[in-house]
Amino acid sequence: AQTVTQSQPEMSVQEAETVTLSCTYDTSENNYYLFWYKQPPSRQMILVIRQEAYKQQNATENRFSVNFQKAAKSFSLKISDSQLGDTAMYFCAFMNSVDYGNKLVFGAGTILRVKS
Amino acid sequence: EPEVTQTPSHQVTQMGQEVILRCVPISNHLYFYWYRQILGQKVEFLVSFYNNEISEKSEIFDDQFSVERPDGSNFTLKIRSTKLEDSAMYFCASRAGDYNEQFFGPGTRLTVL
Repeated sequence: AQTVTQSQPEMSVQEAETVTLSCTYDTSENNYYLFWYKQPPSRQMILVIRQEAYKQQNATENRFSVNFQKAAKSFSLKISDSQLGDTAMYFCAFMNSVDYGNKLVFGAGTILRVKS
Repeated sequence: EPEVTQTPSHQVTQMGQEVILRCVPISNHLYFYWYRQILGQKVEFLVSFYNNEISEKSEIFDDQFSVERPDGSNFTLKIRSTKLEDSAMYFCASRAGDYNEQFFGPGTRLTVL
């Protein structure tokens, strides 16, 4: 079974600075997808960024980028120019592309607080 | 922009009662999911549904749980006899067949007293 580990329960960053959230995962599969979801206080789950395991290039979405290290099974999220609205719980998630159900397996989450 | 909707936003029930949580997935999506999140904990997979049948379910999804897509638009989760430990946020998600992002609804907060 796949597992996802987020070792940082809480992080804080000053507005406009850069922060990196860590995620590691364990799988024996070769084809899979990785995601970062944001959950603000409203508790809505919002997709931040996705990465296909077969792509070597790291995904980027505006201020959000990932550092995907397949051999190390590491998938960190970098947030540049942090904004107050980035304050949220961030979940790393894994999806096996060959599972019929294609469920998401989530990490425990990292609470990010952006300070003014 | 299409979105997943869920009703009610908050449901309070007595232990032992049946509850039905409702979801309307995005209209052209083919895969449907229920997840739950106990307060302060991680999001956990409950069940996935495709082609009018369960494709996978977790250990949490025991005989007290059932899912249904009664009319081609709604996707429901029924808990037959609620327990205190069923108190959680329940998220519905849907996915199109040709793209692997799951879109989540806003969640239903279930409180079992």
